[in-house]
Amino acid sequence: GEDVEQSLFLSVREGDSSVINCTYTDSSSTYLYWYKQEPGAGLQLLTYIFSNMDMKQDQRLTVLLNKKDKHLSLRIADTQTGDSAIYFCAELDTGNQFYFGTGTSLTVIP
Amino acid sequence: DAGITQSPRHKVTETGTPVTLRCHQTENHRYMYWYRQDPGHGLRLIHYSYGVKDTDKGEVSDGYSVSRSKTEDFLLTLESATSSQTSVYFCAISERQGIYEQYFGPGTRLTVT
Repeated sequence: GEDVEQSLFLSVREGDSSVINCTYTDSSSTYLYWYKQEPGAGLQLLTYIFSNMDMKQDQRLTVLLNKKDKHLSLRIADTQTGDSAIYFCAELDTGNQFYFGTGTSLTVIP
Repeated sequence: DAGITQSPRHKVTETGTPVTLRCHQTENHRYMYWYRQDPGHGLRLIHYSYGVKDTDKGEVSDGYSVSRSKTEDFLLTLESATSSQTSVYFCAISERQGIYEQYFGPGTRLTVT
């Protein structure tokens, strides 16, 4: 399977920006995704980016893609306590299979 | 929220016993998926279905079987549960394969003692 790596934990203060990073190995990925998982719940899609794009912005969320380095990041502006959750990046390969990262647990300190 | 339910939500079973988890959807989506979530591994695809009676293996299919006799139901069976199958299992659905969003169920926590 593909390797999708994330750091496990991130802690930020309320109002600051959060940056969650992800690296992947499949250079032929077609789409890359960010999902959010709140405690006791399933995953919820936040945003996705097509592999030929460099950036996508959606309200407080900014996704940056460096295809050369196979690096994806999610920036959350003005982070709120409700943003505390686990964030997963995922890639869609050319066989239409999803591969998820290990998840980053974001803690927002009031 | 997409209409996806999973049953049971929690189960404790003994090694060697058979276990069946059920995923039920009311969205009439064609694709259904079973994932397991484990610390340090994220989500890994077990099996998926692309139509009634049409299924295929995912990344970690050994020890699991699936069946889909109706559009709305996708069953995951552990024929003889092992402790390594202790995990949280998520069902997901999507209208089509590829970029289309996968909607996830609430999960089933399975403990094999």
